[in-house]
Amino acid sequence: SAVISQKPSRDICQRGTSLTIQCQVDSQVTMMFWYRQQPGQSLTLIATANQGSEATYESGFVIDKFPISRPNLTFSTLTVSNMSPEDSSIYLCSVEGGQGYTDTQYFGPGTRLTVL
Amino acid sequence: SQQGEEDPQALSIQEGENATMNCSYKTSINNLQWYRQNSGRGLVHLILIRSNEREKHSGRLRVTLDTSKKSSSLLITASRAADTASYFCATETSGSARQLTFGSGTQLTVLP
Repeated sequence: SAVISQKPSRDICQRGTSLTIQCQVDSQVTMMFWYRQQPGQSLTLIATANQGSEATYESGFVIDKFPISRPNLTFSTLTVSNMSPEDSSIYLCSVEGGQGYTDTQYFGPGTRLTVL
Repeated sequence: SQQGEEDPQALSIQEGENATMNCSYKTSINNLQWYRQNSGRGLVHLILIRSNEREKHSGRLRVTLDTSKKSSSLLITASRAADTASYFCATETSGSARQLTFGSGTQLTVLP
């Protein structure tokens, strides 16, 4: 299985600022995904991060608000821009399991964001 | 919007009892995966069942899939206090390029 780390693990930010979340995987993977989990809720897919091309965003999420980078096959960043209290959530990245486990998705530990 | 609905929303049982959680979904799927989440931390992958499979076991876990009813169940046998967590089903929809759609989750509490 893939081992995934995220930075930061948590942060408290002021309204109007931006935060960049990093996701690092211990092996090369084709597809990486970013999810949001609002307090007490389930997970919602924000976007699919593809290496060498622009991210694909789900309905309700836009690049200006959640810009994503995917510079190589082991790393991605998600930026939450111009934050408001409604952006307070846990943000999680996930990847496919890689060779032999291509159907399985593994998740990072998440970044808990609180916006004041 | 969420594709899957899970029931019950919350379940409280005594240690040693079995826990059953159900998941329903709306569209054709490639596979269905169950995850556990402890207190808002990361998700732990439990088990994956493909659309052509009907039942799968892993340790104390048993998952069934009924594609005609678009439903799945997760059974945890001989529960332990450490099983206390939120459990989510997630479906990979046919043609979705590996994206997962999550159910609403079941909060399981196992009392010692």
